[in-house]
Amino acid sequence: DTEVTQTPKHLVMGMTNKKSLKCEQHMGHRAMYWYKQKAKKPPELMFVYSYEKLSINESVPSRFSPECPNSSLLNLHLHALQPEDSALYLCASSPRTGITSYNSPLHFGNGTRLTVT
Amino acid sequence: DAKTTQPPSMDCAEGRAANLPCNHSTISGNEYVYWYRQVHSQGPQYIIHGLKNNETNEMASLIITEDRKSSTLILPHATLRDTAVYYCIVSAGAGSYQLTFGKGTKLSVIP
Repeated sequence: DTEVTQTPKHLVMGMTNKKSLKCEQHMGHRAMYWYKQKAKKPPELMFVYSYEKLSINESVPSRFSPECPNSSLLNLHLHALQPEDSALYLCASSPRTGITSYNSPLHFGNGTRLTVT
Repeated sequence: DAKTTQPPSMDCAEGRAANLPCNHSTISGNEYVYWYRQVHSQGPQYIIHGLKNNETNEMASLIITEDRKSSTLILPHATLRDTAVYYCIVSAGAGSYQLTFGKGTKLSVIP
């Protein structure tokens, strides 16, 4: 069992749909992350939120829109996706980010497997 | 680009120790070595991390060479549930853009 909960577990959407992925943690962590993982590839960082503010955007296309409404929740809003966006989307959290966070390993959820048709 | 080099795959007999190597020859003085693993269809799981001293926890041991250019993760008694992709990552903290996953090692534990 993981302490980071992601919903839904699976999502199929068309290219014209709008959908959202949800991530929740109740460990009091103040940093939250979105990663994207294609089949047989390592996870790739998309976004980082630190204290509910977006601190890192790894040049992600605007069809992916993150939101952090509070310190426990992280959403990823999806619009006009392409079939190549099909992947496992992983959420993670850690107590904090930055140079002092060496004792703060990331806690990952089990992901949302997204298929774009 | 990832800062680490790992063998793409390894086999280990069940009950034996699994020794997973990682090269990180360009590691900086303030960078830690982290190990995560990912079982199929699950999110990555933190295993252990260290700076320069050897570390041990309930899951594994981490041996870092004196020059810090390589390390070895040791699973002392591998079980079938240890079959996973193991990622070695160097980072100056859990933060964000510096936590870059390399290709990892696919460990297969054989009965």
